[in-house]
Amino acid sequence: DAEITQSPRHKITETGRQVTLACHQTWNHNNMFWYRQDLGHGLRLIHYSYGVHDTNKGEVSDGYSVSRSNTEDLPLTLESAASSQTSVYFCASSEVGANTGELFFGEGSRLTVL
Amino acid sequence: SQKIEQNSEALNIQEGKTATLTCNYTNYSPAYLQWYRQDPGRGPVFSLLIRENEKEKRKERLKVTFDTTLKQSLFHITASQPADSATYLCALVMDSNYQLIWGAGTKLIIKP
Repeated sequence: DAEITQSPRHKITETGRQVTLACHQTWNHNNMFWYRQDLGHGLRLIHYSYGVHDTNKGEVSDGYSVSRSNTEDLPLTLESAASSQTSVYFCASSEVGANTGELFFGEGSRLTVL
Repeated sequence: SQKIEQNSEALNIQEGKTATLTCNYTNYSPAYLQWYRQDPGRGPVFSLLIRENEKEKRKERLKVTFDTTLKQSLFHITASQPADSATYLCALVMDSNYQLIWGAGTKLIIKP
């Protein structure tokens, strides 16, 4: 079965360190997204990609970067982790032109920045 | 300002009754609206979609309504079961760029 996997599921790091969260999907979807989820907030879009070598900033992109070198992967990098980036991060994908626009989510990566 | 609101307080419902979850929005004109279910420690899972020209959509025990005049969507679960307990998220989809704008979710607890 097709799926979307995130790693690591849990990570603790220190302020100032670089962190990369991996996202790998086998749906063969062109669209991929990174969100963060914090208590009391809806999912907030960090970055998204509509295809290989395409990346776009979302509403909360400061301090984060992504790159898309193939269809399957969209790693999220925190250049210099800050305590405000403690959150649960979700990767999602969707099919281009899908009638429903349904997103398929990974299980999340919980990041703690000390 | 633009905002999307879901009841932040948990909704407690007796098993067998109908649970109704609310999603209100202001200053948006969505092309359609999606509902997702999220279990603790898991990613959201798509449940239902309703378009702006549809008043109601059904799937098994689920029903979604969409009132563009009231700027409100209701998500109903009939004959609720403890297994329906989860957080339910609504998301607006804008026609212009198909980006999703998310509510914070409502936690539903179905008591046996």
